[in-house]
Amino acid sequence: AQSVTQLGSHVSVSEGALVLLRCNYSSSVPPYLFWYVQYPNQGLQLLLKYTSAATLVKGINGFEAEFKKSETSFHLTKPSAHMSDAAEYFCAVSDADSNYQLIWGAGTKLIIKP
Amino acid sequence: GAVVSQHPSWVICKSGTSVKIECRSLDFQATTMFWYRQFPKQSLMLMATSNEGSKATYEQGVEKDKFLINHASLTLSTLTVTSAHPEDSSFYICSARQSGSYNEQFFGPGTRLTVL
Repeated sequence: AQSVTQLGSHVSVSEGALVLLRCNYSSSVPPYLFWYVQYPNQGLQLLLKYTSAATLVKGINGFEAEFKKSETSFHLTKPSAHMSDAAEYFCAVSDADSNYQLIWGAGTKLIIKP
Repeated sequence: GAVVSQHPSWVICKSGTSVKIECRSLDFQATTMFWYRQFPKQSLMLMATSNEGSKATYEQGVEKDKFLINHASLTLSTLTVTSAHPEDSSFYICSARQSGSYNEQFFGPGTRLTVL
């Protein structure tokens, strides 16, 4: 069965520092991969997605992620953190085996220190 | 484009009453809609998958008689929490998948339900 692992329930970085949120997945078939952001008491907003095109995907708000098949990873990065990036981030995978339902990671709360 | 709305955004009700939550795709047709439940500080839990014109498919452990789902049109799905109890208090989020597309779901802003 597919699964998504997000390493670190909380990640704390200083404003201006590199943001790295980790996501590893298991899938026996080519997956679609997503990163979503959720601000308090709000729904989810798509940051970026991988759909078998370029392995380096650029998203909104300066975020990007790289699909590494050999490592089954899809880590999210941003070169310089901003206070407004503080939120919960979810990684998700879907593929034919899951009938394209989203399989979710547990989420990582990003904390930005001034 | 690809906007999904939910109504209401929050609701408080008394125990034993029923609450209906609407999910609408505003600018696209959604063959499939999904209903999620999210507990504080947790990830999303899929409750059911709703296909237009057919019965919803519920995930294991979700009571279909408790959480009634109707997907009568390509732009509207409703979730009715029947005989609500305090343990039903949660954040409910819907999403919609565009007809013919398998690779993205668009999410509504969520509905906060509090049952007193």
